[in-house]
Amino acid sequence: DSGVTQTPKHLITATGQRVTLRCSPRSGDLSVYWYQQSLDQGLQFLIQYYNGEERAKGNILERFSAQQFPDLHSELNLSSLELGDSALYFCASSRGTGVQETQYFGPGTRLLVL
Amino acid sequence: GEDVEQSLFLSVREGDSSVINCTYTDSSSTYLYWYKQEPGAGLQLLTYIFSNMDMKQDQRLTVLLNKKDKHLSLRIADTQTGDSAIYFCAESGRVSAGNMLTFGGGTRLMVKP
Repeated sequence: DSGVTQTPKHLITATGQRVTLRCSPRSGDLSVYWYQQSLDQGLQFLIQYYNGEERAKGNILERFSAQQFPDLHSELNLSSLELGDSALYFCASSRGTGVQETQYFGPGTRLLVL
Repeated sequence: GEDVEQSLFLSVREGDSSVINCTYTDSSSTYLYWYKQEPGAGLQLLTYIFSNMDMKQDQRLTVLLNKKDKHLSLRIADTQTGDSAIYFCAESGRVSAGNMLTFGGGTRLMVKP
């Protein structure tokens, strides 16, 4: 158990809908990262927050957004969902933002868009 | 080409050693990681190596880094059926990318009894 929690574990929804994925980092970690794992794209970095502020952006679609709240939990919002958004979404956390910071991953949220 | 590459599949017999290979392209990568993913599960950090090291050993795991060739390997000694999983190599610390992780495509390890 990494100490990172994600809810829900599974999500099934329809195209065009909007969903929110939630992540709670390990105790004491200030950085939260979101990654997408899909069959065609593999594991890709989406976005990073540090202590409530956006820190880095990767291959995140404009239809997707995230935020980190004062209690350090984070939410990833996916809107106007398409079939191709079906994937496993991972959250990871680390203490800070330095390159030496090890990222610990949650169990993921499996999203299926029908 | 891809930033981080791994072979897709490796099959070994229980008790043998497994060697999973990874190549990366960016010489400014600072840390290199190995993660394990079991079916239906998240990513478990196995080990990591800093780019100024060439070897790291942790129980049954040995990581070798050839920085000149940008080649990383993970050796699992006395491989067990419980080691069957997908193994991901990842790198961070590229000047252009902060500390986001860039992953390889994963190597599926199958351990036969």
